[in-house]
Amino acid sequence: QKEVEQNSGPLSVPEGAIASLNCTYSDRGSQSFFWYRQYSGKSPELIMFIYSNGDKEDGRFTAQLNKASQYVSLLIRDSQPSDSATYLCAVNSGGSNYKLTFGKGTLLTVNP
Amino acid sequence: DADVTQTPRNRITKTGKRIMLECSQTKGHDRMYWYRQDPGLGLQLIYYSFDVKDINKGEISDGYSVSRQAQAKFSLSLESAIPNQTALYFCATSDTDTQYFGPGTRLTVL
Repeated sequence: QKEVEQNSGPLSVPEGAIASLNCTYSDRGSQSFFWYRQYSGKSPELIMFIYSNGDKEDGRFTAQLNKASQYVSLLIRDSQPSDSATYLCAVNSGGSNYKLTFGKGTLLTVNP
Repeated sequence: DADVTQTPRNRITKTGKRIMLECSQTKGHDRMYWYRQDPGLGLQLIYYSFDVKDINKGEISDGYSVSRQAQAKFSLSLESAIPNQTALYFCATSDTDTQYFGPGTRLTVL
């Protein structure tokens, strides 16, 4: 059973701080990794994807991947109240099948 | 216009009724997926289709069926709805391993 684990939170940070969201996965053969943001009652929205070890930055967001440790994280710099949402980690372990396994999500609250 | 649309957006039905949820996309993607989301359980894959002739069961397909009428349309049916199928249902599409989600259908089975 391929698993993706996230701390359910809630993670609470003050406005302007760095929020750090973590995810571990069980399948060592996993090839691609995704972070989605989901506001309450809304659909998941892709924030970032990462394929290679190291960091990938996009604006205030940085994804970090460590395949040896089977660990992927998302850093949000200068957190804003509008960043308050559930963040879903997703992993593609199926190669060309393009099936994603989702974690249960971490609820982030950014306090003004 | 939205790239991935779902109808209806909300539905309340009774136990034993047949329900169809529809998904349409204008992204031109071959791959389409149906998920359900329950509080605290994350997204669970019900069915997925890689083209019109290829349909596959996901991890929770019991009680559901699907139809891929065209590249752009993928429907999910509940043949005889039961209360524990009350959930938020999402359709998604992809052309690579990046999936794009529709707005969701909130289904309540009484």
